Amino acid sequence: DAKTTQPPSMDCAEGRAANLPCNHSTISGNEYVYWYRQIHSQGPQYIIHGLKNNETNEMASLIITEDRKSSTLILPHATLRDTAVYYCIVSSGQGGKLIFGQGTELSVKP
Amino acid sequence: DTAVSQTPKYLVTQMGNDKSIKCEQNLGHDTMYWYKQDSKKFLKIMFSYNNKELIINETVPNRFSPKSPDKAHLNLHINSLELGDSAVYFCASSQGVPLPGELFFGEGSRLTVL
Repeated sequence: DAKTTQPPSMDCAEGRAANLPCNHSTISGNEYVYWYRQIHSQGPQYIIHGLKNNETNEMASLIITEDRKSSTLILPHATLRDTAVYYCIVSSGQGGKLIFGQGTELSVKP
Repeated sequence: DTAVSQTPKYLVTQMGNDKSIKCEQNLGHDTMYWYKQDSKKFLKIMFSYNNKELIINETVPNRFSPKSPDKAHLNLHINSLELGDSAVYFCASSQGVPLPGELFFGEGSRLTVL
């Protein structure tokens, strides 16, 4: 599975949009982009995933560039409860295998 | 109603002991997993089972033995515990392989080996 690169940490003001970038320049055609987050001391939580097209759900939006080499997770109105480590994962999902990197530690501040 | 539940939540034990962590999911999923999160917060897959059949074994020492008595349960037994086994162990489940749209994780079991 392709590797991902994320900034180790980011800050965001409460109520503003949080834009979390991810680079995955070696992504293959059959690999999806997944985003998970882990709030302190809890299990990881699925946010969204996509292949080529942009995706939106009740939690977030996922914007994937046309060449698929990078993506951005957008939390439209960040709240203090969105403070967490956000993981960008690229995987074909073979065997259900997702490889978690170091992620981005997002701090939402009042 | 908890979707993926693990017991115990905390476990403190001595080196050399044998211990088990239990996991149950009530989502009707057919695939279950064990992940390990070490002190540096890296989350690594250990095993996955699909319909009680082992499909991933990530070169985990054979002191670790997963057991899936049915689709809803995946237990982890660890023999001869070592200091390096101290970690948080997460159970997860999903519907379908090879492309899980979503993994549902439990709250984790924190194992401390003294």
